[in-house]
Amino acid sequence: SQQGEEDPQALSIQEGENATMNCSYKTSINNLQWYRQNSGRGLVHLILIRSNEREKHSGRLRVTLDTSKKSSSLLITASRAADTASYFCATPTGGTYKYIFGTGTRLKVLA
Amino acid sequence: DAGVIQSPRHEVTEMGQEVTLRCKPISGHDYLFWYRQTMMRGLELLIYFNNNVPIDDSGMPEDRFSAKMPNASFSTLKIQPSEPRDSAVYFCASSLLAGFSGANVLTFGAGSRLTVL
Repeated sequence: SQQGEEDPQALSIQEGENATMNCSYKTSINNLQWYRQNSGRGLVHLILIRSNEREKHSGRLRVTLDTSKKSSSLLITASRAADTASYFCATPTGGTYKYIFGTGTRLKVLA
Repeated sequence: DAGVIQSPRHEVTEMGQEVTLRCKPISGHDYLFWYRQTMMRGLELLIYFNNNVPIDDSGMPEDRFSAKMPNASFSTLKIQPSEPRDSAVYFCASSLLAGFSGANVLTFGAGSRLTVL
């Protein structure tokens, strides 16, 4: 079963605009991670946020975590065509290192 | 480091044939994960190892699937016999547990695309 569910499933924006995608999960976690997958490639780690953090930044990425709502959001600012990819959240389940990935958000940035 | 290396990148086989997918994790990483990705089911965790020992294989779909990690630098995922519904991209990922933080950051291979006819 899916631990994380991303929303929206697909997003299309113009270059320069911001992109926001959301992730909801089901069980308690000690960290949440976001990954990017370009077409035909493996997943690449973007950012990790721990359960005692509410917000984290990395370059043009901003991640928030609300453990009371069991949700996280990923904001990409000033998007570029190269940001076109699928984005996944990943969470460990049951206090283990078993990382379950969400359904993903397909982002398309139009030049 | 060359990253996580998977082979073959593409495999086309006939139903009933045995398929073996291979993975070389990043040197020094102590966790290894096998995932399967399809349009219908997304990314599914099949099995993961810690220090070469299988920890959780609850995601392995059926007895036709088996995975081994004979040493720290090599793992295989075998499907015997293969079926058309096994067609998917299979990813291997490795990680190093980040001390007290309890967080694993996964490094993925490029994947093995399997097509079973």
